[in-house]
Amino acid sequence: QVRLLQWGAGLLKPSETLSLTCAVYGGSFSGYYWSWIRQPPGKGLEWIGEINHSGSTNYNPSLKSRVAISVDTSKNHFSLKLSSVTAADTAVYFCARGRYIYSGYDLDYWGRGTLVTVSS
Amino acid sequence: SSELTQDPAVSVALGQTVRITCQGDSLRTYYASWYQQKPGQAPILVIYGKNNRPSGIPDRFSGSSSGSTASLTITGAQAEDEADYYCSSRDSSGNLHVVFGGGTKLTVL
Repeated sequence: QVRLLQWGAGLLKPSETLSLTCAVYGGSFSGYYWSWIRQPPGKGLEWIGEINHSGSTNYNPSLKSRVAISVDTSKNHFSLKLSSVTAADTAVYFCARGRYIYSGYDLDYWGRGTLVTVSS
Repeated sequence: SSELTQDPAVSVALGQTVRITCQGDSLRTYYASWYQQKPGQAPILVIYGKNNRPSGIPDRFSGSSSGSTASLTITGAQAEDEADYYCSSRDSSGNLHVVFGGGTKLTVL
């Protein structure tokens, strides 16, 4: 059974850097895309970006200038950094495992989510 | 186009059948995946590929696709199916970004 356990600071001030880490337990770390998704309060899901086990990244263009996703294959961890946060970055942040399967792409395992609040 | 469009809200009587749709150009290339999200919880995958259910998802959930429209059908909706449903796929424009629909709030009456 695959489990994703995520952690990081939940309260930030404007201009600070958001930092979250997701640990993957069970299953293979290679062959998948490790994603971050966020959900502002009362709103829908927004894909932030992804990384594969080789370190290749792909980011949402609306966040690309502020986002960095990294991977530590020795620990089966991947991490998100989002710089210069504002109140608009307040959201629940999820990590998830992405895969290509049957001519589609899905996110089959998710972390429980971390509420990050940006407030002065 | 990198957008997926869903109706904001749909309702269904208990035990009846409901279809939730998702429209977007990327669905001509990739099958949609569908996620159920209940308040305060992480989304869970309910349909992937042409019409596949992960282990533990009831068989009343099914998926279909035609052209640029994907559909999630719940046959015999139960009270516990009341939730937000999101579709998603890869963007087919070449950048391979992941896109989500805006979500559909399903109310079971």
